[in-house]
Amino acid sequence: AQSVTQPDIHITVSEGASLELRCNYSYGATPYLFWYVQSPGQGLQLLLKYFSGDTLVQGIKGFEAEFKRSQSSFNLRKPSVHWSDAAEYFCAVEGGATNKLIFGTGTLLAVQP
Amino acid sequence: SAVISQKPSRDICQRGTSLTIQCQVDSQVTMMFWYRQQPGQSLTLIATANQGSEATYESGFVIDKFPISRPNLTFSTLTVSNMSPEDSSIYLCSVIGQQETQYFGPGTRLLVL
Repeated sequence: AQSVTQPDIHITVSEGASLELRCNYSYGATPYLFWYVQSPGQGLQLLLKYFSGDTLVQGIKGFEAEFKRSQSSFNLRKPSVHWSDAAEYFCAVEGGATNKLIFGTGTLLAVQP
Repeated sequence: SAVISQKPSRDICQRGTSLTIQCQVDSQVTMMFWYRQQPGQSLTLIATANQGSEATYESGFVIDKFPISRPNLTFSTLTVSNMSPEDSSIYLCSVIGQQETQYFGPGTRLLVL
């Protein structure tokens, strides 16, 4: 069965520091992978997605993610975090013809001044 | 990306009552989805709503509790029936937009007393 694991429930980084949020997936074939961000009291906003091709994907707000098939990972990175990046981040996998998304449990990011 | 609105944005309801949540999209879409996000948790798919057919429910969700309507390609409703405090959640609708990407509405925040 498809699943997504986000090992870090909560991460705190200093403003200007680099960020990496981990995501591991379980899926038999090549998955479609997504990162969404949810700011407090807001809905979900798509940061980036991977369907195929180049394994390094650029997204909005300066985020990028790298698909590593050998590690079943799709980690999200940002070289310099801004205070406005404080939010909850969800990794998701979509597989098959149903377009259903399976979400990880999320990582809550706090940014220290 | 599709522009999705939901009504109401939030509500406080008494146990035993029902609430109908509306989801409106600014373009015609084939597939719409309803998700639940319980407090402090990730998103779980309730059902897939396709126009012209009955909704397809995920394991653990039943039509009697969460009836769904999909009268046209831009609109859907989810009813949370006979509510209990355990139904307190954020309910989000989503659609498949361009490039097979899923976009989410802002969510309906429900508190059941």
